[in-house]
Amino acid sequence: DAKTTQPPSMDCAEGRAANLPCNHSTISGNEYVYWYRQIHSQGPQYIIHGLKNNETNEMASLIITEDRKSSTLILPHATLRDTAVYYCIVRGSARQLTFGSGTQLTVLP
Amino acid sequence: ETGVTQTPRHLVMGMTNKKSLKCEQHLGHNAMYWYKQSAKKPLELMFVYNFKEQTENNSVPSRFSPECPNSSHLFLHLHTLQPEDSALYLCASSTGLAGGHTGELFFGEGSRLTVL
Repeated sequence: DAKTTQPPSMDCAEGRAANLPCNHSTISGNEYVYWYRQIHSQGPQYIIHGLKNNETNEMASLIITEDRKSSTLILPHATLRDTAVYYCIVRGSARQLTFGSGTQLTVLP
Repeated sequence: ETGVTQTPRHLVMGMTNKKSLKCEQHLGHNAMYWYKQSAKKPLELMFVYNFKEQTENNSVPSRFSPECPNSSHLFLHLHTLQPEDSALYLCASSTGLAGGHTGELFFGEGSRLTVL
């Protein structure tokens, strides 16, 4: 599976959009991009996934560049409860999810 | 509440003890997983079960012994552990292997294990 690179930490003001970047320059054509988050001392939670088109659900939006070498997870109106570690994962079909170190997002009041 | 329940939430054991962690899912999923999360380290996949059959064992030491009696229950039996085995042990389930088409795994809240 392709390796991903994320910044170790980011801050965001409450109520503002949080934009979390992920680089996956070695992604191959059949690999999806997944985002999970882990609030302190809890299990990870699925957020969203996509292949090449932008995706949106009730939690977030996923923007994937045209060359698919990077993506951005957008939390449109961050709240204090969105403070968590966010994991960007690239996975091929039927492969297990491999978690990296993620980005610690801190939403500031 | 994700539908995946882990017990106990916290466990302290000595190196000579034998204990078990339990995971139960009420989501009708067929695949179940054990992950280990040590301090300051990424989650590590330990075991995967699909329809009660073990499909992956990622070189986990034999002092960790999984058991999957049915698709709803998963156990991790622990014996003669070492202090470095102290970690958060997370159980997850999914509809298809590796999360199927959506890649969505549902995690429990974990069992925090401390080995003295």
